Amino acid sequence: SYELKQPPSVSVSPGQTARISCSGDELPKRYAYWYQQKPGQAPVLVIYQASERPSGISERFSGSSSGTTVTLTISRVQAEDEADYYCQSADSSGTWVFGGGTKLTV
Amino acid sequence: QLQLQESGPGLVKPSETLSLTCTVSGVSISSSPYYWAWIRQPPGKGLEWIGTIYYRGTTYYNPSLKTRVTISIDTSKNHFSLRLSSVTAADTAVYFCATLGSGGFDPWGQGTLVTVSA
Repeated sequence: SYELKQPPSVSVSPGQTARISCSGDELPKRYAYWYQQKPGQAPVLVIYQASERPSGISERFSGSSSGTTVTLTISRVQAEDEADYYCQSADSSGTWVFGGGTKLTV
Repeated sequence: QLQLQESGPGLVKPSETLSLTCTVSGVSISSSPYYWAWIRQPPGKGLEWIGTIYYRGTTYYNPSLKTRVTISIDTSKNHFSLRLSSVTAADTAVYFCATLGSGGFDPWGQGTLVTVSA
């Protein structure tokens, strides 16, 4: 089955830049999406179609892709950015897949 | 404003069928181009896509759950439903419903915890 791989954890200091990677064989052909989830809350979409930012999401969040890896970048990290982050994409059969999640510690 | 709300029993016995409903407000569930999805999250673990339905009834299921899952839609009540049969403790999770469009899963319901226990 198709898998998306993320690092379990990333740690940064306030004001620094956090980068969270997600790798998968289908990513060169499929859009990637990123979600932020804080404890006890539903996930929130922060990046769609690899690099687009929904309205209401801070411009500090950006997405990029290169080959089989997509990256979520959070600039000028703040304490409020501490959360779990999940990448998500699809395979050729219409199956949607989430990465295992990355815990961002600020 | 599009909003979703899950409802259903919070406790299900092993081997029985889990049934949840997601009520949609702010838009007609039969509006294109939306798809409607169920996603779950076991305690302390990551997200798992369960399945997706289009208002015309086309469904897509996670292969690992396909034999036990049924997602249906009721346009007259503006809601869609999840049934998961033969549940075990491994099905204990927070179950979310969400809208699937070209921009990913957005928005999500608040989620509902379902515990499988005798």
